[in-house]
Amino acid sequence: AQSVTQPDIHITVSEGASLELRCNYSYGATPYLFWYVQSPGQGLQLLLKYFSGDTLVQGIKGFEAEFKRSQSSFNLRKPSVHWSDAAEYFCAVGDYNQGGKLIFGQGTELSVKP
Amino acid sequence: NAGVMQNPRHLVRRRGQEARLRCSPMKGHSHVYWYRQLPEEGLKFMVYLQKENIIDESGMPKERFSAEFPKEGPSILRIQQVVRGDSAAYFCASSAGQGIPYEQYFGPGTRLTVT
Repeated sequence: AQSVTQPDIHITVSEGASLELRCNYSYGATPYLFWYVQSPGQGLQLLLKYFSGDTLVQGIKGFEAEFKRSQSSFNLRKPSVHWSDAAEYFCAVGDYNQGGKLIFGQGTELSVKP
Repeated sequence: NAGVMQNPRHLVRRRGQEARLRCSPMKGHSHVYWYRQLPEEGLKFMVYLQKENIIDESGMPKERFSAEFPKEGPSILRIQQVVRGDSAAYFCASSAGQGIPYEQYFGPGTRLTVT
């Protein structure tokens, strides 16, 4: 069955430090992968997506992610974190065999220390 | 272009009452997805609808839950005889089509509290 795993429930980094959020997926076909961010009490905003092509994808707000098929991973990175990046981050795989529903990981909550 | 609208943003219901959640997709979008986010969990797919059709309801609980997306008006997620376990945030997302490369745009959610 398709699934997405985010191993880290909560991460704390210092402002200005680099960030990597891990995401592993299990999907039988070509995965279509997404990272979303959710601020407290808000909906989800798409940060970036991978459909095909270059395995390093750039997103909004200075985020990037790298697709590694051999590791079934799609980790999110940012070279220098800002206090406003504190939020919950969700990795998802699109199940386009069944209409395009998204299968989400459990999320990683990011805290930023001043 | 307005984004996905959901109302109400917060809804309190007593056990046994009915909850009706509304979702207006982005202009030009005819595909709507509903997701539920339980406390401390990620989002779980519930149902996928196109205008007047339910395409995939594999994530819907078998009882008490129903969804519709009429030809005119918003999509409605209806929960009958609510129980405490229904307390969650319900998000809808809309897209312009099905499959690649259409992405889903999310609304702000409806937070349902059952007392």
